[in-house]
Amino acid sequence: QLHLQESGPGLVKPSETQSLTCAVSGASISSSSDYWGWIRQPPGEGLEWIGSIKYSGSTSYNPSFKNRVTMSVDTSKNQFSLKLNSVTAADTAVYYCARHCGPGTGRRWFDPWGQGTLVTVSS
Amino acid sequence: QSVLTQPPSVSGAPGQRVTISCTGSSSNIGAGSDVHWYQQSPGTAPKVIMYGNNNRPSGVPDRFSGSRSGTSASLAITGLQAEDEADYHCHSYDSSLSGYVFGTGTKVTVL
Repeated sequence: QLHLQESGPGLVKPSETQSLTCAVSGASISSSSDYWGWIRQPPGEGLEWIGSIKYSGSTSYNPSFKNRVTMSVDTSKNQFSLKLNSVTAADTAVYYCARHCGPGTGRRWFDPWGQGTLVTVSS
Repeated sequence: QSVLTQPPSVSGAPGQRVTISCTGSSSNIGAGSDVHWYQQSPGTAPKVIMYGNNNRPSGVPDRFSGSRSGTSASLAITGLQAEDEADYHCHSYDSSLSGYVFGTGTKVTVL
């Protein structure tokens, strides 16, 4: 059974870089044609797609984050990562990782999701 | 600011039918992008309950159904049960934004 688990600091200072990792178990990232994505949810608000990455390193980012976000894959550890730089209080949110599956662009959905990790941006 | 609009809340008595709308535009739902739906109980991660417009994952009751028409989509819950009380989010792809978008979210309350 596919399982995803986020990890990373729960507190980040403004202007610094936030780094999160998603460990995948139950399947190999590199044997899948799927993408792997990050989604966030500010407290009391809706969901926002940040970006997705394939094991090959091919990425697709939300234009709203494009200048601040970097995603990478480590196939040897079966995990993928998110870096978001120049964070502000507006980046405080629960961050989820998920498999981004489906037959192609415009038709993908997220399943399953990790449990999520709260990242607070504060000095 | 989401490009997919949902009603903030809907409610119904046990056994009733409720529908949740997801209104988009010609660059997402109207362009033919698939619509997916997620259920999120308090303090938990979202779970897909409908993918590819009207496909239910294994384990999701057939009380849930999805449809789409023009620039909108809907999720219907028939025979509403207490366990259906949760937040529901629609999700699609927007060609103008070249990215994936979520709806504003709807809280379903079972009276």
